[in-house]
Amino acid sequence: EVQLVESGGGLVKPGGSLRLSCAASGFTFSYYNMNWVRQAPGKGLEWVSSISNSSSYIYYADSVKGRFTISRDNAKNSLYLQMNSLRAEDTAVYYCARKWDYGYYGDAFDIWGQGTMVTVSS
Amino acid sequence: DIQMTQSPSSLSAFVGDRVTITCRASQSISNYLNWYQQKPGKAPKLLIYAASSLQSGVPSRFSGSGSGTDFTLTISSLQPEDFATYYCQQSYSTPPWTFGQGTKVEIK
Repeated sequence: EVQLVESGGGLVKPGGSLRLSCAASGFTFSYYNMNWVRQAPGKGLEWVSSISNSSSYIYYADSVKGRFTISRDNAKNSLYLQMNSLRAEDTAVYYCARKWDYGYYGDAFDIWGQGTMVTVSS
Repeated sequence: DIQMTQSPSSLSAFVGDRVTITCRASQSISNYLNWYQQKPGKAPKLLIYAASSLQSGVPSRFSGSGSGTDFTLTISSLQPEDFATYYCQQSYSTPPWTFGQGTKVEIK
């Protein structure tokens, strides 16, 4: 079964750090670009960061640039998000999502994890 | 960045109704438009990609149309399991991948 499982969420004080993990199974992880997407309580979806299959290309949303770092370990079939200098507005469920290139230069996020909750509060 | 705007933000409908949700892009995105369904407490699920292509396993009562800046998601006969929030997403000019604000479909 194709699956993504996030972990590492929790309660952290403003200014603190947290590292999220996403374990992939059921597909060849090293073939796919991966993403983090977050959803604040009661709000919509916000793309956070993307990493190419070989880690050559990395992108961040302006809202997290300079504070978050995405990485991956293809040998461990794992994706990570190191979050530093956390703010209250970073409170959200964080999902990892697989990017599927369906052709004609198009893509979509076809596999999602169940999400992990990050709460930034004093 | 390309902004995506959905309408309505919410709607109420009966089981069996035909439901249409609209998504508008702030500039032309050709057909690089995806639709997702999200149920409470669950992860989003890809329904439609490339504006009108049904993802594998998705019931045929779901359909998508449009190109350029205006797109629609249609549910031909609403079923109890379709009550959820629906999001559009553009993949034309990335990063960033941008989503609409969501449309919540509720039971009338």
